[in-house]
Amino acid sequence: GENVEQHPSTLSVQEGDSAVIKCTYSDSASNYFPWYKQELGKRPQLIIDIRSNVGEKKDQRIAVTLNKTAKHFSLHITETQPEDSAVYFCAAGGSGGSNYKLTFGKGTLLTVNP
Amino acid sequence: DTGVSQNPRHKITKRGQNVTFRCDPISEHNRLYWYRQTLGQGPEFLTYFQNEAQLEKSRLLSDRFSAERPKGSFSTLEIQRTEQGDSAMYLCASSLGGTAREQYFGPGTRLTVT
Repeated sequence: GENVEQHPSTLSVQEGDSAVIKCTYSDSASNYFPWYKQELGKRPQLIIDIRSNVGEKKDQRIAVTLNKTAKHFSLHITETQPEDSAVYFCAAGGSGGSNYKLTFGKGTLLTVNP
Repeated sequence: DTGVSQNPRHKITKRGQNVTFRCDPISEHNRLYWYRQTLGQGPEFLTYFQNEAQLEKSRLLSDRFSAERPKGSFSTLEIQRTEQGDSAMYLCASSLGGTAREQYFGPGTRLTVT
């Protein structure tokens, strides 16, 4: 089955700096890669996603890049703010007959220091 | 609130008891997923429904677990003879169907088995 590795497990940045979180996946048939933000005690919230026919996608301060050949994808947050502090999860989906289930990474705790 | 809802939000039970959780998806969504999340981990896929049909079950879903979605709307997840290892957050998510891949999560049911 699919395996998703996520790095780093913790990331601390100063407000205004950029943050980058990286994930690798194992199944070349995966074709959908969402990112979720989870604040303490709250539900995972979809913040951005990318499909395998696209190399990069941006939404304001957030961008995701995908390298299908290397089987890795990354989340980039620019001009970080304290409210960006949360756990971020990457996921991969669309492998073979299990077209819709998601396999998640273990998460990255992002802390943005004011 | 038109998002995914789950009840109860918290459940404390004694080992050996049966518990049942309910998930109400976003009204027009025909796909429904159950995931389990333990501390410091990403959500792990348990099972998935398209309308009322249960199309996939993870190996994580032992014989003590059963899920239903009788009319293609809400879903229930039952755990029989609970064990301490069942303690976790049980998350439900839904997606629209067709080519839509975005999954939206509910707030989860936190289960504690004593």
